[in-house]
Amino acid sequence: GAVVSQHPSRVICKSGTSVKIECRSLDFQATTMFWYRQFPKKSLMLMATSNEGSKATYEQGVEKDKFLINHASLTLSTLTVTSAHPEDSSFYICSARGSSVGSNSPLHFGNGTRLTVT
Amino acid sequence: GENVEQHPSTLSVQEGDSAVIKCTYSDSASNYFPWYKQELGKRPQLIIDIRSNVGEKKDQRIAVTLNKTAKHFSLHITETQPEDSAVYFCAAKATDYKLSFGAGTTVTVRA
Repeated sequence: GAVVSQHPSRVICKSGTSVKIECRSLDFQATTMFWYRQFPKKSLMLMATSNEGSKATYEQGVEKDKFLINHASLTLSTLTVTSAHPEDSSFYICSARGSSVGSNSPLHFGNGTRLTVT
Repeated sequence: GENVEQHPSTLSVQEGDSAVIKCTYSDSASNYFPWYKQELGKRPQLIIDIRSNVGEKKDQRIAVTLNKTAKHFSLHITETQPEDSAVYFCAAKATDYKLSFGAGTTVTVRA
């Protein structure tokens, strides 16, 4: 089945630094990738939709200058948390949809990244 | 946008019994309804999905039903086993291809 690889799985950083998270579709082309944030024992909250070759679409309340998204190829999207603060600590998870536009192709999730900002 | 509500938030069942999780959605244009299982610290895994032109779908011990008129859909797990213990999320997808997730149900199967 379709595989989505996310890296790193865990990262601890100091307040004020930036962290980049990569999301790769390994065996399919992903025209669209989604970035979610999940707090402990909570649901997945969509942060932004990443479209290959164009600007990401951010959900209401998500700071685009804080969470930079780049989708430079059909297999890679990156999320950079800039000037991280302790409140940014969370589980970030990406997902990807195949390139069959108009179809209800399932979303495949990466393994997630546990970010801890100290 | 789409609003998905999921109940119950926690569910404890005896091994071998059935578990039922119910979700409602608000956007009548939604046409795809997946269910995900997430174990602690791991990624959500798609376990079953249903499209709006189907009322019921079954895969071994798991079944999903959809009532488009009432905007309800449900997950049914029969003959539950300890390995079914996890958090289950329902989701609905509207025409903008975004998935909206329910709040999740923590299922505990007691041996």
